[in-house]
Amino acid sequence: DAGITQSPRHKVTETGTPVTLRCHQTENHRYMYWYRQDPGHGLRLIHYSYGVKDTDKGEVSDGYSVSRSKTEDFLLTLESATSSQTSVYFCAISDEGGFDTQYFGPGTRLTVL
Amino acid sequence: KQEVTQIPAALSVPEGENLVLNCSFTDSAIYNLQWFRQDPGKGLTSLLLIQSSQREQTSGRLNASLDKSSGRSTLYIAASQPGDSATYLCAVRGNSGGYQKVTFGTGTKLQVIP
Repeated sequence: DAGITQSPRHKVTETGTPVTLRCHQTENHRYMYWYRQDPGHGLRLIHYSYGVKDTDKGEVSDGYSVSRSKTEDFLLTLESATSSQTSVYFCAISDEGGFDTQYFGPGTRLTVL
Repeated sequence: KQEVTQIPAALSVPEGENLVLNCSFTDSAIYNLQWFRQDPGKGLTSLLLIQSSQREQTSGRLNASLDKSSGRSTLYIAASQPGDSATYLCAVRGNSGGYQKVTFGTGTKLQVIP
């Protein structure tokens, strides 16, 4: 299995509070991704990174920001959490963007009350 | 906008049966298609990756095919086992609307009955 960890694995927070999720990889892969998974919607891309300090938006980026200061770490921040951001968040990595397998982390279950 | 559909949403088969899972997509301009399995409460595990220039890929009891012109992929599982019970997802990486655009289907939940 690819060396990907996510922290925390579970989090319950209240509406309006900031939340940061961390993805850490030991594979030295260039590309990192944040997805959310919701019933009936499948997985949807939030943001991705193609190198240190290089990030771009996915299809559901509103309300989320990301940062990547080191190759191995990709942070997802909810500036002011809302109930609609209750979801399971997955981090993924790949070595080459378009032609390589994506490997997924174990996920973070976030509940916003 | 790419749309990926997986039918049926759920499937139950007896152990030992060969089965086919379907994935269809609306935009044939793709780089690759990937099949994953997801166990309850877990992340996704990559099964097979098919590049747009390929027609099929095989790994053990699994065989995935790709027909870009018809917008379809199938995942064939031979001699199913209870351990194959999981949700199977297909994901299409397109080359329109952004290089990194990956669209996932909502999955087929497979139950293999001993």
